[in-house]
Amino acid sequence: AQSVAQPEDQVNVAEGNPLTVKCTYSVSGNPYLFWYVQYPNRGLQFLLKYITGDNLVKGSYGFEAEFNKSQTSFHLKKPSALVSDSALYFCAVRDTGGYQKVTFGTGTKLQVIP
Amino acid sequence: GAGVSQTPSNKVTEKGKYVELRCDPISGHTALYWYRQSLGQGPEFLIYFQGTGAADDSGLPNDRFFAVRPEGSVSTLKIQRTERGDSAVYLCASSPLGGAGDEAFFGQGTRLTVV
Repeated sequence: AQSVAQPEDQVNVAEGNPLTVKCTYSVSGNPYLFWYVQYPNRGLQFLLKYITGDNLVKGSYGFEAEFNKSQTSFHLKKPSALVSDSALYFCAVRDTGGYQKVTFGTGTKLQVIP
Repeated sequence: GAGVSQTPSNKVTEKGKYVELRCDPISGHTALYWYRQSLGQGPEFLIYFQGTGAADDSGLPNDRFFAVRPEGSVSTLKIQRTERGDSAVYLCASSPLGGAGDEAFFGQGTRLTVV
């Protein structure tokens, strides 16, 4: 079975400071990892993904994530937070072992304080 | 269309009634997914279509839930004998080929309330 953990329900960060939203995963094979963002009254939007290759993945809106196989983590990062980054962030995993089911975490609310 | 479209955006129904939720995926996308999102939770997988066939329906909670995609485009999620516990936001997503590494494009969801 595959699973995702987002240990923080909410992360608060001051505008201009770096931000990190944590994610750890568990799969039986190799993972495909995704980050999605959900703004109020809007659908989930894809931010970035890790498939293979470079452990540091760059995505939309200046976000990046680092895949760490030994720690089974895929933390989302941004060097300088904007107030407009305030939203709900979901980490998701899919096992590369042939399964199409994507498992999402419970989400982390990011609040960027002006 | 430009994105994934779900109708209705909101649905209120009485316990025991039958409901249908519709999803129009992005044109040309062969893979279609249904998820359910309860308050404070992440999306929970229900079913995955590749073309017209349900390739994985392991997330459907029981036999009251059923989904179809007869022509490989529009999909309908059908819920019989609705229960209050079915209240949630039902999300539809599509992707071009359904490859394991493909990201999904989500609709805005249908908020179902069973009273």
